[in-house]
Amino acid sequence: EIVLTQSPGILSLSTGERATLSCRASQSFSSSYLAWYQQKPGQAPRLLIYGASSRATGIPDRFSGSGSGTDFTLTISRLEPEDFAVYYCQHYGSSRTFGQGTKVEIK
Amino acid sequence: EVQLVQSGAEVKKPGESLKISCKGSGYSFTGYWIAWVRQMPGKGLEWMGIIYPGDSATRYSPSFQGQVTISAGKSISTAYLQWSSLKASDTAVYYCARGPSFYHDNNGYLPLGYWGQGTLVTVSS
Repeated sequence: EIVLTQSPGILSLSTGERATLSCRASQSFSSSYLAWYQQKPGQAPRLLIYGASSRATGIPDRFSGSGSGTDFTLTISRLEPEDFAVYYCQHYGSSRTFGQGTKVEIK
Repeated sequence: EVQLVQSGAEVKKPGESLKISCKGSGYSFTGYWIAWVRQMPGKGLEWMGIIYPGDSATRYSPSFQGQVTISAGKSISTAYLQWSSLKASDTAVYYCARGPSFYHDNNGYLPLGYWGQGTLVTVSS
């Protein structure tokens, strides 16, 4: 089973700043199978990125994904008030595992 | 419009059985895998399993194999998650989810683009 470790656990930033979230895998896999989700309190998760770098329908271009092998990154170029939330990466290949999440909070 | 509508919150006692549902609409239900995801209170997301309603092919996470049963009723466009004997540790929100409309994979290897609203299951004596 592939284990995904996200860092940092909590990211404290201000509106307008850049957010960089990391997702590291215990073994290498195809970037085709890496997704990122956003979850706000009391809501279901929302798909942001699939295939490591493709934005899902309706996702603003301030969200971008990159990476390959074992290291993947979600970048939010300029934080908007609605972006403060918890973010999860997921391997949706054979392991289908989620990372433990990174909370982006207001500084 | 694709929608996944889940059944309402449940309060159960340890040892009781339970079946929760997820009704799909706005698309061909039999043509898309449906996954179930658990979120325990204050915790992260856990992928439980997936079913292809077209032929009822099912895959389970090793962590949930034997603990739950995933099924689907094609004629009523509904997927199910059931327990035969609940434990307090089953207390969680359970989500059903589906892949994006443009994404197809024979093995159910897909990101989850559509989600139900979640069903809170509380197990307490």
